[in-house]
Amino acid sequence: GENVEQHPSTLSVQEGDSAVIKCTYSDSASNYFPWYKQELGKGPQLIIDIRSNVGEKKDQRIAVTLNKTAKHFSLHITETQPEDSAVYFCAAPNQAGTALIFGKGTTLSVSS
Amino acid sequence: GAGVSQSPSNKVTEKGKDVELRCDPISGHTALYWYRQSLGQGLEFLIYFQGNSAPDKSGLPSDRFSAERTGGSVSTLTIQRTQQEDSAVYLCASSLVRGTSYGYTFGSGTRLTVV
Repeated sequence: GENVEQHPSTLSVQEGDSAVIKCTYSDSASNYFPWYKQELGKGPQLIIDIRSNVGEKKDQRIAVTLNKTAKHFSLHITETQPEDSAVYFCAAPNQAGTALIFGKGTTLSVSS
Repeated sequence: GAGVSQSPSNKVTEKGKDVELRCDPISGHTALYWYRQSLGQGLEFLIYFQGNSAPDKSGLPSDRFSAERTGGSVSTLTIQRTQQEDSAVYLCASSLVRGTSYGYTFGSGTRLTVV
């Protein structure tokens, strides 16, 4: 079945720096790759997603890149702010196409 | 409603007791998912409902776990004879169509503690 690996598990940056989180997936048929942000005590929230027919997508300070050949995708956050501090999860569809399989998460800490 | 609603937000139960967790999805969303999030872990898929189709139960960890969705709306996750390893946050999510193409909206979860 699908396997999603996420790195790093923790990431600490200074305010204003960039942060990059990387994920790899195993099922070459996967075609949808979302990223979720989870703040303390809340459920994960979808922040950006990308489909397999594009290589990059941007939304203000966040961007996602996809390399289908290498089966990896990355989240890029520029000009980080303290409110970006949270746990970030990547995901990809399971082999049956019925549910998303999530990475184990990256705890991002932005210090001012 | 405006979002996915889960109740209770917190539940403490004694080992061996049964618990029921409730999820009220966004109105009109046909797909509903249950996930489990253990401390420091990612999100573990449990079960998926899509309209009137048979649910995908492939993620349920044991036969102590079951779920139903009545009238295509509210869902209940039941854990029988709870064990300490069942302690986790149980998250429900819904999506307008299948969430593997458009992502989910999650509730805030039910934190279950088995003592």
